[in-house]
Amino acid sequence: GAVVSQHPSWVICKSGTSVKIECRSLDFQATTMFWYRQFPKQSLMLMATSNEGSKATYEQGVEKDKFLINHASLTLSTLTVTSAHPEDSSFYICSARDPRAGGTEQFFGPGTRLTVL
Amino acid sequence: AQSVTQLGSHVSVSEGALVLLRCNYSSSVPPYLFWYVQYPNQGLQLLLKYTTGATLVKGINGFEAEFKKSETSFHLTKPSAHMSDAAEYFCAVSDRGYSTLTFGKGTMLLVSP
Repeated sequence: GAVVSQHPSWVICKSGTSVKIECRSLDFQATTMFWYRQFPKQSLMLMATSNEGSKATYEQGVEKDKFLINHASLTLSTLTVTSAHPEDSSFYICSARDPRAGGTEQFFGPGTRLTVL
Repeated sequence: AQSVTQLGSHVSVSEGALVLLRCNYSSSVPPYLFWYVQYPNQGLQLLLKYTTGATLVKGINGFEAEFKKSETSFHLTKPSAHMSDAAEYFCAVSDRGYSTLTFGKGTMLLVSP
């Protein structure tokens, strides 16, 4: 099946620094990737839809300048948390659609745990 | 707008007992329906999905779910729980086509020996 990886799996950073999280589709080309945020013991909240070669579509309430998304190739999307603060600490999960599977299913990465001190 | 309701934030069963996790949805069009499982500090793994055709869907690890349009439900069942089934389960819905997923709040399944 389709495999999606994320890197790093966890990161600790100081307040005010920027952190980049990578999401890769390993065995398929993904024109669309998604970024989710998950707080402890809560559901996944869609942050943005990342489309290869174009600007990301952000959900209402998500700060575009704070969460920069780049989808420069068909296998890589990155999420950069700029000027991170403790309230940005969360579990970030990406997913990708596999067009070979009809595009109806999203395949999820293992997630990245971000802790901002 | 779509929404998903999962009844019960926690469900406890004994090993070998029936597992029933409830999911109700609202959608203006016939939806695609999904069940995902999440183990601690991991991403989501698809258990099963309904898109069209047979309303009883079989998934991995012995799970199955039945789409009932009249009840707007997509409950997840497994005849006999195993300790390894202990995890968080999410029901999700999307419009037909290439649309986004809307997740329920999740149900934590606890399995006792």
